[in-house]
Formats: sequence, structure tokens, C-alpha cells
Amino acid sequence: GQNIDQPTEMTATEGAIVQINCTYQTSGFNGLFWYQQHAGEAPTFLSYNVLDGLEEKGRFSSFLSRSKGYSYLLLKELQMKDSASYLCAVRDASSGTYKYIFGTGTRLKVLA
Amino acid sequence: EAGVAQSPRYKIIEKRQSVAFWCNPISGHATLYWYQQILGQGPKLLIQFQNNGVVDDSQLPKDRFSAERLKGVDSTLKIQPAKLEDSAVYLCASSSRYQETQYFGPGTRLLVL
Repeated sequence: GQNIDQPTEMTATEGAIVQINCTYQTSGFNGLFWYQQHAGEAPTFLSYNVLDGLEEKGRFSSFLSRSKGYSYLLLKELQMKDSASYLCAVRDASSGTYKYIFGTGTRLKVLA
Repeated sequence: EAGVAQSPRYKIIEKRQSVAFWCNPISGHATLYWYQQILGQGPKLLIQFQNNGVVDDSQLPKDRFSAERLKGVDSTLKIQPAKLEDSAVYLCASSSRYQETQYFGPGTRLLVL
């Protein structure tokens, strides 16, 4: 079946580094996505991994290991505005079209 | 480039009433998704269109939910009759095979009393 796990909540301090983990099981893996969602707003795209390794985008980096079914999102130099939910999503192509399966999201609270 | 548009942004109805949501995807995006996001959870796919055809509606409660995308552009999602557990944010997203991700609209927040 398809399953995505990520922690429900995390707390970190302004200026620190935080790593949000995501494990997944899917039959037709076609990419892993991280989205940021502020309360009351729509998800916005942060990063995309389809090959193993680290993708860096400014303060945000995302890592993927396909053999382990594992990804993490790394946020550096945390700012108060980073307080949000972070959604891990897997794109599955087993049905012949792209289908996105989302985790429940990790609610990150950044403290001053 | 204009983003995904949705309306209304908020809707309050009583149980057993009907409601409809509208979505206009990004121009040229062939794939359109409707998601339901209950508070504290991730988005759950309700239905996915490729142009005006349905490619996945396995999680759509078809006894009360319906959706259409008649001309392969705009889409409507309808709930009839609504239940208390339908209270959620309904997100529309669209994607193109030439772009790496899907893009979300602002969502419609539904409260069923």
C-alpha cells in the first residue's frame, strides 16, 4: 500500500537548524515533494527530489534515499516566519498518471 | 502568470444543505486536482482530472460528492447533502507535465453546522 509518516510537531529556536524526517512506502515512486503551509493558507512548493542525494535551496535543503524510503527537510537559520506545517508528499505514477499522496504534516513552532 | 483561483473562500451551511465550489486552474494546465484537508491533517485527494476526463476518483464519496470539468478548464465540486464531517478546506490544484510540481489555489473553507 501507500503510507507516509512524519512527526506531528516540532519546536526549535530562532537561528537554529531543524530536520524534519519523512518515511514513505509506495509502489510507483516518481518523486518526493516538500510543501510549506502557513495556518489558513494553501500549501506552497518548497523542494523536489527524484534522485538520491541532497538538493539545496537557500536556507532549505531536502535529502532523499530511495532505497530506504526516507527523506528529510533541513531548515537552517530558522526565522519566526518559518513557523508553519511542512507537508511531505510522494508522487506515484503506478496508475499511469501522476498522483500525489500527502503525509499529515509536521507543525513546526519557532520560538524567539 | 495568474495562479489557481477558487471561490468562494468561505462557506457556512447547515447539514443536509448543498454547496458548490469553483476552481479555475493555471492556464494550460491539463491536470486538475480536488483535495479535502481536515484540520490537522494533510490534503486527501478526492478527484483528479486529465483535461475533462476523470483519472482517479477512488476516494470521492460518490453518494454525496460530484465533480465535473466540462471543457477541460474550470471545475466545480458539489456536495449534496452535506454532513458535519464535511467541514474542511477544499483545495484545488493544477499541474502541467512540463513543470515539476502542482500549484494550489487558496482553498475554500467549509463549515457545516
